[in-house]
Amino acid sequence: DTGVSQNPRHKITKRGQNVTFRCDPISEHNRLYWYRQTLGQGPEFLTYFQNEAQLEKSRLLSDRFSAERPKGSFSTLEIQRTEQGDSAMYLCASSLLGGRLGTEAFFGQGTRLTVV
Amino acid sequence: AQSVTQLDSHVSVSEGTPVLLRCNYSSSYSPSLFWYVQHPNKGLQLLLKYTSAATLVKGINGFEAEFKKSETSFHLTKPSAHMSDAAEYFCVVSEGRGGADGLTFGKGTHLIIQP
Repeated sequence: DTGVSQNPRHKITKRGQNVTFRCDPISEHNRLYWYRQTLGQGPEFLTYFQNEAQLEKSRLLSDRFSAERPKGSFSTLEIQRTEQGDSAMYLCASSLLGGRLGTEAFFGQGTRLTVV
Repeated sequence: AQSVTQLDSHVSVSEGTPVLLRCNYSSSYSPSLFWYVQHPNKGLQLLLKYTSAATLVKGINGFEAEFKKSETSFHLTKPSAHMSDAAEYFCVVSEGRGGADGLTFGKGTHLIIQP
């Protein structure tokens, strides 16, 4: 499978715990995006990377959230001291800036986080 | 600032009849516009995109959309609905260069296909 891969698919955690999600983009894609989707809403932009550089962060990304893409390949999204309001689907997408197919973003299946 | 309004949260049609999913956008610049589909337990899939070329855009699975600047609309249509079209559909706008930067999603339209 050469699509965007996210792990884990589901995560249940207790309030106050830290969680980390991983995203493996399509291998040649230089841009990687994180989105959050709550029930009944469309995905909301959190942050994006071009190669290893984090170029933009949404105001939705509080201090408890941190994202990294250390080698410009896979990315991790960590949430510290989780709160019930963090329960959502976390989506990762990747795209190729300047590629032949334009900058279509390809999405992974997401990680569903439930904070109890 | 950019925003998207999907005018219907749910649309129900009979199999074989036309589909119309409505979308209006707001943008300070010349935007790129997309429609994505989300089937249960599957990732978002791009149906089609408008990036300032032809105003009538054809996508996968028989879907098409027309960009109307005067109406700030980008409605999604399909001549004949199929049961497999049942899913959540998102209209998306982007002001970023090339189209994929900082996509802003609508709240989605749930398409129901009646047999």
